[in-house]
Amino acid sequence: DVKVTQSSRYLVKRTGEKVFLECVQDMDHENMFWYRQDPGLGLRLIYFSYDVKMKEKGDIPEGYSVSREKKERFSLILESASTNQTSMYLCASRGTGTLAYEQYFGPGTRLTVT
Amino acid sequence: AQKVTQAQTEISVVEKEDVTLDCVYETRDTTYYLFWYKQPPSGELVFLIRRNSFDEQNEISGRYSWNFQKSTSSFNFTITASQVVDSAVYFCALSEKRSSYDKVIFGPGTSLSVIP
Repeated sequence: DVKVTQSSRYLVKRTGEKVFLECVQDMDHENMFWYRQDPGLGLRLIYFSYDVKMKEKGDIPEGYSVSREKKERFSLILESASTNQTSMYLCASRGTGTLAYEQYFGPGTRLTVT
Repeated sequence: AQKVTQAQTEISVVEKEDVTLDCVYETRDTTYYLFWYKQPPSGELVFLIRRNSFDEQNEISGRYSWNFQKSTSSFNFTITASQVVDSAVYFCALSEKRSSYDKVIFGPGTSLSVIP
């Protein structure tokens, strides 16, 4: 079974803090994704990576950066957390190839910025 | 523009009732894939089904069935004889090819509550 793990289930940070969200997958997948989930908006793509050290902006990259130094690990960084970044953050991975591949998701990190 | 609409925000049904979750999509591509995911209260999205744009056959898996109709750009999901364990948020998603990656768009989700 594919396993995607995220470093924390719940996180509370203060405005202005630098926040690191870590994601690790164990299936040697090339593609990894970071989404945020907000009520009524579904999942919105923040960043994704299709290879080590490669990254692409998603639909809402502002205020975020990412790092992929190793294939299995994809980190989301909030350089200076703000209250509007309070959300559920979901990491996902997918194998290379066709459009047909489904994504495997981690359990999510619920981040609260106060 | 690529878009996925799930018009039903929340649905409540009594156990053993049938329920249909609607999904309507927009795309200009001829090759694409559609997915359904389930997000139970634990939070982890779970893949349920994929359908490619060239295969309009309906699919049944146990109590779950899916109706894909290209003519109406819809990919609806029906749960027969619902159970409490079906309570979850369900997401429809569309996957299209872009120049260097496959873009996936998720709908806003439908929250299903099955009442015992």
